[in-house]
Amino acid sequence: GEDVEQSLFLSVREGDSSVINCTYTDSSSTYLYWYKQEPGAGLQLLTYIFSNMDMKQDQRLTVLLNKKDKHLSLRIADTQTGDSAIYFCAEGLRNDYKLSFGAGTTVTVRA
Amino acid sequence: NAGVTQTPKFRILKIGQSMTLQCTQDMNHNYMYWYRQDPGMGLKLIYYSVGAGITDKGEVPNGYNVSRSTTEDFPLRLELAAPSQTSVYFCASSKDPARQPQHFGDGTRLSIL
Repeated sequence: GEDVEQSLFLSVREGDSSVINCTYTDSSSTYLYWYKQEPGAGLQLLTYIFSNMDMKQDQRLTVLLNKKDKHLSLRIADTQTGDSAIYFCAEGLRNDYKLSFGAGTTVTVRA
Repeated sequence: NAGVTQTPKFRILKIGQSMTLQCTQDMNHNYMYWYRQDPGMGLKLIYYSVGAGITDKGEVPNGYNVSRSTTEDFPLRLELAAPSQTSVYFCASSKDPARQPQHFGDGTRLSIL
């Protein structure tokens, strides 16, 4: 199967860390992606991780991958108001041309 | 660098009308995709193409048609618009879906009344 699941909402205080979680079901995934969608805009690629990696860090972003539990997380350090958006987890599969997307997590940053 | 360009950005249609959503990319990507986004539902794949002249159905193809006569363009056609097709439509492209991410356009917001 290609089900990707995410929690729908996350509220975080400005300056705190945000952690967005995602679970997937297909063990043949190649890359796992995080996209960000701001209001009225398209999807912007934030970061991605290859399935043979456990962690990837890129400035304020840290991606953790637990292949055993098929769990992916995105941590945003020092969350800012500009981080308010919908975050989508997506899974790419070997021998497939398509991505499977989660429903998206709406992150709201409060002062 | 324009990337993926979608037109129009907004459109209101009456039930039964037809229209074409345009998508073009200047990155010489072979793979192109059409998605629709409904609130709380994530993205659903409508159609995709692996190269000029080749298209295939995604999860929700009913009510839509596509063509791919060039590498750059991948238009999506609605023949008989229905209220259930009210959505935000995104076009995306990729150089190599096994190793490269998909690049998205800014979307077309379509309302069927």
